[in-house]
Amino acid sequence: GQQVMQIPQYQHVQEGEDFTTYCNSSTTLSNIQWYKQRPGGHPVFLIQLVKSGEVKKQKRLTFQFGEAKKNSSLHITATQTTDVGTYFCAGNFNKFYFGSGTKLNVKP
Amino acid sequence: EADIYQTPRYLVIGTGKKITLECSQTMGHDKMYWYQQDPGMELHLIHYSYGVNSTEKGDLSSESTVSRIRTEHFPLTLESARPSHTSQYLCASSSQGLRNGYTFGSGTRLTVV
Repeated sequence: GQQVMQIPQYQHVQEGEDFTTYCNSSTTLSNIQWYKQRPGGHPVFLIQLVKSGEVKKQKRLTFQFGEAKKNSSLHITATQTTDVGTYFCAGNFNKFYFGSGTKLNVKP
Repeated sequence: EADIYQTPRYLVIGTGKKITLECSQTMGHDKMYWYQQDPGMELHLIHYSYGVNSTEKGDLSSESTVSRIRTEHFPLTLESARPSHTSQYLCASSSQGLRNGYTFGSGTRLTVV
């Protein structure tokens, strides 16, 4: 079946350090979405990427969609404790399939 | 305010009981989904609907059933709860264009004892 692989599974960083999570698919995606889930909460939509090579920024967050539309990344610059949570990508193969998530812990 | 609502928020129930988890949205979305998620783990799609009277099973085999009689309402029913059903159940909805992604409800944390 369709799969979106997401790495790393866990990331522990010191506050102020950068963080990146990656999503990879073996087939071309129509588009990809990113979500954040705080501990004990529900996933919240962050952004959707549609175009090949697209780069979007939201304050300290930078989202990229690969040229072949098979991979994507989320980069957080200078993490803060408010960034703690699990970040999920969701790739569109006519339906959205969620990656396994990257759990980010930020030490103050 | 447009939103998606799930009730109950928490449920502890005995084995063999029938339960219905409620999900309602006021955004007029055609597409609705049910996901199962163990704490801190990935989301598994168990049911989805693209409109009234349309329901499909997701990728994770589930003993639950759903119905979509009204656009805004997408309840999930377990005829006979078992301890293996203990999990968090998340309802979500989206518009046709998916421009704003999925909107998730706060979830129902189900414990079957």
